[in-house]
Amino acid sequence: DMKVTQMPRYLIKRMGENVLLECGQDMSHETMYWYRQDPGLGLQLIYISYDVDSNSEGDIPKGYRVSRKKREHFSLILDSAKTNQTSVYFCASTQGAVNTLYFGAGTRLSVL
Amino acid sequence: GDSVTQTEGLVTLTEGLPVMLNCTYQTAYSTFLFWYVQHLNEAPKLLLKSSTDNKRTEHQGFHATLHKSSSSFHLQKSSAQLSDSALYYCADTNAYKVIFGKGTHLHVLP
Repeated sequence: DMKVTQMPRYLIKRMGENVLLECGQDMSHETMYWYRQDPGLGLQLIYISYDVDSNSEGDIPKGYRVSRKKREHFSLILDSAKTNQTSVYFCASTQGAVNTLYFGAGTRLSVL
Repeated sequence: GDSVTQTEGLVTLTEGLPVMLNCTYQTAYSTFLFWYVQHLNEAPKLLLKSSTDNKRTEHQGFHATLHKSSSSFHLQKSSAQLSDSALYYCADTNAYKVIFGKGTHLHVLP
C-alpha cells in the first residue's frame, strides 16, 4: 500500500516551544520533501532530502531544520517556534527525480 | 528565478460549463509539468502530467497539452461537475526541485 503518513495531524504550541513533525513512507522512496501551505501562497518548499543524511535547503528554510536517519522517515523540527510558522505542513515523497509526488495528509500547526 | 504562474485566486462557474485553468512556466530547464488537485481537508494528489511537447494528456475527464513554444500547460474540462470543486496546482520540475504555482480554487455551483 503506497502511503505517506504524517503525525500529528493537528498540533497547538506556544511561541518559543520546540516542534517536531514526523513523516513516514512505505514506498522506499529516495527523495522526500517538506512544504508549508498558506492561503494565497501555495506550496512553499522548506527542505528536500535526497536520501539518508543528504538534505538540502528549499526556498524558505529559515527557522526550520530536518533529520533523515532512515530512508522511510523524514522529520521537520522547529526550534523555538514563532507565530508566523502557523501553517499546514505537508510531507511528500518520490522515487528519484521528476516523478509524481505522493503527499501525506498534512499537519495543521498553530503557534500561539 | 524559476516560477510557475496560474490563473489567480478563485474561479467560480456553473455545473456543466467548460473549465479552463491557465498555467505558464518560466524555468531554466523544465522536464515534467504536472497538475495536482487538492480537495478540502485532503492531501494534494496527481491529476495529470506531461513532458511531451504538443501531446494531449487526459485523466478523469480533464486534459492538458504541453506547449513548449509558449511555456504553457493549461488544464481543461468540457463540462464541470460539483465534485470538481477543489484547489488546483500546476507544477514544474527541474531535476529534484518541484516548483508549484500559487494554486487556483475552482468552485462549481449547481
